[in-house]
Amino acid sequence: GENVEQHPSTLSVQEGDSAVIKCTYSDSASNYFPWYKQELGKGPQLIIDIRSNVGEKKDQRIAVTLNKTAKHFSLHITETQPEDSAVYFCAASMSSGTYKYIFGTGTRLKVLA
Amino acid sequence: NAGVTQTPKFQVLKTGQSMTLQCAQDMNHNSMYWYRQDPGMGLRLIYYSASEGTTDKGEVPNGYNVSRLNKREFSLRLESAAPSQTSVYFCASSEALGGQEAFFGQGTRLTVV
Repeated sequence: GENVEQHPSTLSVQEGDSAVIKCTYSDSASNYFPWYKQELGKGPQLIIDIRSNVGEKKDQRIAVTLNKTAKHFSLHITETQPEDSAVYFCAASMSSGTYKYIFGTGTRLKVLA
Repeated sequence: NAGVTQTPKFQVLKTGQSMTLQCAQDMNHNSMYWYRQDPGMGLRLIYYSASEGTTDKGEVPNGYNVSRLNKREFSLRLESAAPSQTSVYFCASSEALGGQEAFFGQGTRLTVV
């Protein structure tokens, strides 16, 4: 069936360095790719998303890139700060009309001060 | 604006007991979802409701039932709890089905002993 693979499962970076998390999806019909951040004891919260008609999107220190041919997309966090420490989930979804919203297994990011 | 509210936050059940997890959203969203989160497995969809009056099975529906009580509320029932149902449960909602941001509640940590 459809799945989303996410790597790495854990990532430690020094404060101020960049962090990159990668996801690969299997369903070529997917066209919406969100990234969620989950802080300890809370529910996931959307931080950035991208649709298949663009290759890159940026929001301050966070960017997402998409390669539809290779079926992979990545989250880039620059100038990391301690408050970026959390679990990050990628997901792949088709456009409206279907429930299929497949999540990756998560990446625990630790930013070391 | 509370967003998505889940109750209870924590629960311990004995094997064979039943309980209902409550979820309400105040964003006038049409679609609602129940996920379970287990270590290393990401978020897996249990049931969803595309709109008021409809419910459908997700990836892992066995052992659960749901009720879409009205547009705001979507409950998850465990009829006879099993240790395999020990997990963190999240309710989520979105304006429509698929292809857009999902808003999550704070989660319910359920332990079945």
